[in-house]
Amino acid sequence: GAGVSQSPRYKVAKRGQDVALRCDPISGHVSLFWYQQALGQGPEFLTYFQNEAQLDKSGLPSDRFFAERPEGSVSTLKIQRTQQEDSAVYLCASSLSKRGAGGYNEQFFGPGTRLTVL
Amino acid sequence: TQLLEQSPQFLSIQEGENLTVYCNSSSVFSSLQWYRQEPGEGPVLLVTVVTGGEVKKLKRLTFQFGDARKDSSLHITAAQPGDTGLYLCAGADYSGGYQKVTFGTGTKLQVIP
Repeated sequence: GAGVSQSPRYKVAKRGQDVALRCDPISGHVSLFWYQQALGQGPEFLTYFQNEAQLDKSGLPSDRFFAERPEGSVSTLKIQRTQQEDSAVYLCASSLSKRGAGGYNEQFFGPGTRLTVL
Repeated sequence: TQLLEQSPQFLSIQEGENLTVYCNSSSVFSSLQWYRQEPGEGPVLLVTVVTGGEVKKLKRLTFQFGDARKDSSLHITAAQPGDTGLYLCAGADYSGGYQKVTFGTGTKLQVIP
């Protein structure tokens, strides 16, 4: 596909369940980001990958959150023992390189996965 | 913790009216970006401003970056229903060797036909 895709689009989990959210970035994009967005708020950074290397995970809210990108393309965000406060939209974005011409590099976002924890 | 505050938080106007959205940062970023997000979709980049005092125009949208590079504004002339959405400013930082983006609190715009 031409853009970033995410699956599932919607996920309902019971508190305590584990969930896995998938991101398919644009082919050839080196950088991949995960964000968490509460309703009506701006996205908040979770973690960053450059190819398969996770270079920044400073935004992950707890050790229940884990992300991987083993082959440098598809990425999975896993949340263990989900809590109600984990309910949010999880956005994935990719960009062609880490920096790009002019010192900035456009991030292309997927449609997000809306997670609801009951 | 959000470092970029936007105002107003919510704006409902009639088609044809003008509006301005403000973004104020507690930090200086390397560049500042504006995005629009529609329901069920991810944010889409509208513009990036880099230089203090810079003004960019995109059809009916005018973006301004403050001289001190800590504040920005988005002005929409003759708003149309298609402008409805969540507008997000974002600061970009490159100190970690990659573009790390911090988003603002968001402004939800509704344009009534």
